[in-house]
Amino acid sequence: GENVEQHPSTLSVQEGDSAVIKCTYSDSASNYFPWYKQELGKRPQLIIDIRSNVGEKKDQRIAVTLNKTAKHFSLHITETQPEDSAVYFCAASYGNNRLAFGKGNQVVVIP
Amino acid sequence: DAGVIQSPRHEVTEMGQEVTLRCKPISGHNSLFWYRQTMMRGLELLIYFNNNVPIDDSGMPEDRFSAKMPNASFSTLKIQPSEPRDSAVYFCASSWGDSLAGDNEKLFFGSGTQLSVL
Repeated sequence: GENVEQHPSTLSVQEGDSAVIKCTYSDSASNYFPWYKQELGKRPQLIIDIRSNVGEKKDQRIAVTLNKTAKHFSLHITETQPEDSAVYFCAASYGNNRLAFGKGNQVVVIP
Repeated sequence: DAGVIQSPRHEVTEMGQEVTLRCKPISGHNSLFWYRQTMMRGLELLIYFNNNVPIDDSGMPEDRFSAKMPNASFSTLKIQPSEPRDSAVYFCASSWGDSLAGDNEKLFFGSGTQLSVL
C-alpha cells in the first residue's frame, strides 16, 4: 500500500512569516494529493488539493507544489495568521479511490 | 447539504459493552469510509464502501469490529465487545468516487465520535 511521511512534526512560525510542510509518498501510481487542516476537537477539512497533471496550485495564501519524479509535495502558507494554527495532514491516493494520510504536522503561529 | 452526519458525538462505555457508531454520508456520494484517529497512529482507514458494498476491510483491527451499509444513506460501525484500547476518535467520511476508474474526488469528514472505553 501507500506510505506517506510528513516533516517536520511540529513547526512554529512568527505571525506574518511563511510556513512550509513537506510530504513524501511511496506509490508512483498515486495521482491525487489533498491537504487537510484539523483544528483542536474538530473534523479534518480539505483546504487544497492537486492532481498529478499539474505541478503547482494556489488559493490565496496557500499553495501546493508537486514533484512526481521525487515523489514529494509541499504545502506553503504565506503571511501566516494565528488562525492558521492547527494540525495539517497530507494524503496521497492509492488503490481504487482510497487515501493514505500522513501523521500530521502541528503548526503554531506565534503572534 | 448538512455534510456528513455522525452520531453520537461522544460515547463513554465500559469494557465488554457493545458500541454502535452511526453515519449518514452526503447525499449523492457513493463512497463511504470509516477512519480511526489516535495520537500514536494518526488517521487509519478501517473500511471502505463503494455503492454500499464493502471494498476494503483490511484495516479493521479484529473480529470485534464490524461495519454495515444497508443503504446509500446510512452506515454503522460496531465494536463488540469493546476494550479500553479501542478508545479513539472515529470519523466517517464520504466522497463521489469510481472504484473501477480510480477517480479520486474530494473526501468530506463528519464531526467524529469520541469513544472512551473504561
